[in-house]
Amino acid sequence: DAGVTQSPTHLIKTRGQQVTLRCSPKSGHDTVSWYQQALGQGPQFIFQYYEEEERQRGNFPDRFSGHQFPNYSSELNVNALLLGDSALYLCASSLDRDRGLSGANVLTFGAGSRLTVL
Amino acid sequence: AQSVTQLGSHVSVSEGALVLLRCNYSSSVPPYLFWYVQYPNQGLQLLLKYTSAATLVKGINGFEAEFKKSETSFHLTKPSAHMSDAAEYFCAVSGRWGKFQFGAGTQVVVTP
Repeated sequence: DAGVTQSPTHLIKTRGQQVTLRCSPKSGHDTVSWYQQALGQGPQFIFQYYEEEERQRGNFPDRFSGHQFPNYSSELNVNALLLGDSALYLCASSLDRDRGLSGANVLTFGAGSRLTVL
Repeated sequence: AQSVTQLGSHVSVSEGALVLLRCNYSSSVPPYLFWYVQYPNQGLQLLLKYTSAATLVKGINGFEAEFKKSETSFHLTKPSAHMSDAAEYFCAVSGRWGKFQFGAGTQVVVTP
């Protein structure tokens, strides 16, 4: 059973460029969340997608956008890259129905995409 | 707003000694609390979760955590550290819609 897969694993961009990160959720999961983890910090919530719509958003500027496809996979796009966008970007998937059953989603994380902005 | 605070960014323990990682939460409603572990160059792996059932929660790899409402704490323990426990540990709180708020993390070093 494949877990959460992310691509690319590493990438280097320059300031002002745009980047697209991709995520395939764990089989059977329907909700995808994206987190940014700067060096030495805990993950910060960017946004969550469910039924192809953004359901929640954290305190990130509009330069950060996303998309969820009918097969539940997702993309994270970042425009006009800044040096401060350098981080590990984590995708996490979950099953929305579990939230109703136990009251809490359990997130399954991918290994992340490490973005370096020069 | 919900948040968690992890006390101690680095913890060093001897192999075989008790591991204690501290987490305090802030929440206006009964929280859902989690501990995740992150090994180098990997994503986060769930250790255990608290969702208002038993206050003592047992997780994987011999870890457990106790929810104490009076102290707003959810500390993680393991009776005997193993070299393979060296990793970074994150406490997290989740709201109803699944938005997780993570602590800053505690790096655990295990010495022989």
